[in-house]
Amino acid sequence: NAGVTQTPKFRILKIGQSMTLQCAQDMNHNYMYWYRQDPGMGLKLIYYSVGAGITDKGEVPNGYNVSRSTTEDFPLRLELAAPSQTSVYFCASSSQAPGAFFGQGTRLTV
Amino acid sequence: AQSVTQLGSHVSVSEGALVLLRCNYSSSVPPYLFWYVQYPNQGLQLLLKYTTGATLVKGINGFEAEFKKSETSFHLTKPSAHMSDAAEYFCAVSETGGFKTIFGAGTRLFVKA
Repeated sequence: NAGVTQTPKFRILKIGQSMTLQCAQDMNHNYMYWYRQDPGMGLKLIYYSVGAGITDKGEVPNGYNVSRSTTEDFPLRLELAAPSQTSVYFCASSSQAPGAFFGQGTRLTV
Repeated sequence: AQSVTQLGSHVSVSEGALVLLRCNYSSSVPPYLFWYVQYPNQGLQLLLKYTTGATLVKGINGFEAEFKKSETSFHLTKPSAHMSDAAEYFCAVSETGGFKTIFGAGTRLFVKA
């Protein structure tokens, strides 16, 4: 049982480049989330989704976009990479029960 | 608005000693409270959670936490630390049961032999 799978694990981007961070879950969870983790700051919610076709902004959405065309997949798009987006990104999912399952993370350097 | 404060960014204990990681929260409604653990280069793993009912919650690896409404606290404890407990621990609060979960800054636990 894979759980939440994130790809890639590491990526280096130049300023202004774009990329998509992939996230897939095989637990049939309705809720999915994207967080970024910066040293000493905990995790900040970027975007979340409560089901296919429904997404909403979290605490720090600027510079990112998401889509949710299927229950399983929740990709995060960075359109114009900036140094401030250097971070570790985590995707997570949950069912109706409180508490989320996290992926292994993507370490991004801009 | 909900928020979480973890007291102490680093805590060091000896193997076999009591582990106490402190967490205080603020919430305008009865909260859901969580502790997550993160090992190096890994994602977060749910350690335990409080939703309703019994205020003393037991989790994995011998950890437990007590919800104290009057103190707005949810401290994490373990009677006897093991070397394998060395990790970063995050307290989190949610007013909505899951999404829009707010995380504390984290406490890194060091265990000395």
